[in-house]
Amino acid sequence: GEDVEQSLFLSVREGDSSVINCTYTDSSSTYLYWYKQEPGAGLQLLTYIFSNMDMKQDQRLTVLLNKKDKHLSLRIADTQTGDSAIYFCAEKSAGNTPLVFGKGTRLSVIA
Amino acid sequence: GAVVSQHPSWVICKSGTSVKIECRSLDFQATTMFWYRQFPKQSLMLMATSNEGSKATYEQGVEKDKFLINHASLTLSTLTVTSAHPEDSSFYICSAYALAPAYEQYFGPGTRLTVT
Repeated sequence: GEDVEQSLFLSVREGDSSVINCTYTDSSSTYLYWYKQEPGAGLQLLTYIFSNMDMKQDQRLTVLLNKKDKHLSLRIADTQTGDSAIYFCAEKSAGNTPLVFGKGTRLSVIA
Repeated sequence: GAVVSQHPSWVICKSGTSVKIECRSLDFQATTMFWYRQFPKQSLMLMATSNEGSKATYEQGVEKDKFLINHASLTLSTLTVTSAHPEDSSFYICSAYALAPAYEQYFGPGTRLTVT
């Protein structure tokens, strides 16, 4: 079945850039997502990218997709303490299939 | 944008009782809803896919008689945890698939269940 892998922890200093990496196995993945989850809260969709794109930028967020290596990354520029959260990578193939999530990367921002 | 609500947001119940969690799509119709379960510091695990007017499709290892799912209308799906036990304590999150306004899966805020 499909599998999505992420590193579990990342610690950065305030003001630095954060890069969270994700790899997936499903070659038919069409949509790839990044979600943010703060403690005790639900999921917040940060951004998404279609498999026919290489890069997408939205304010401080940059998503890079290497479809050949099945590698997705999320870069957060000028990381702030409010960015501390768990970030989930997710993918789905097409249609109304459910998302498949990675285990999440816990980002800690040190002031 | 599309909004999904869950009720209650948290619930504490005694072992052996049943608990119903509601998931509503507030401003769109959802023919398909998904129920996920999340243990502390872990990822979301898909429990079942709920289709309006038909039986839910459960993932392998999820007991359908324990986790009853009903999707009676295009805006409401319910998850009932029957004869709850402490090991059922978890964060339950629903999501709804919207064809409009966008081809997206929207998530509810989650329901934290604690079974004592």
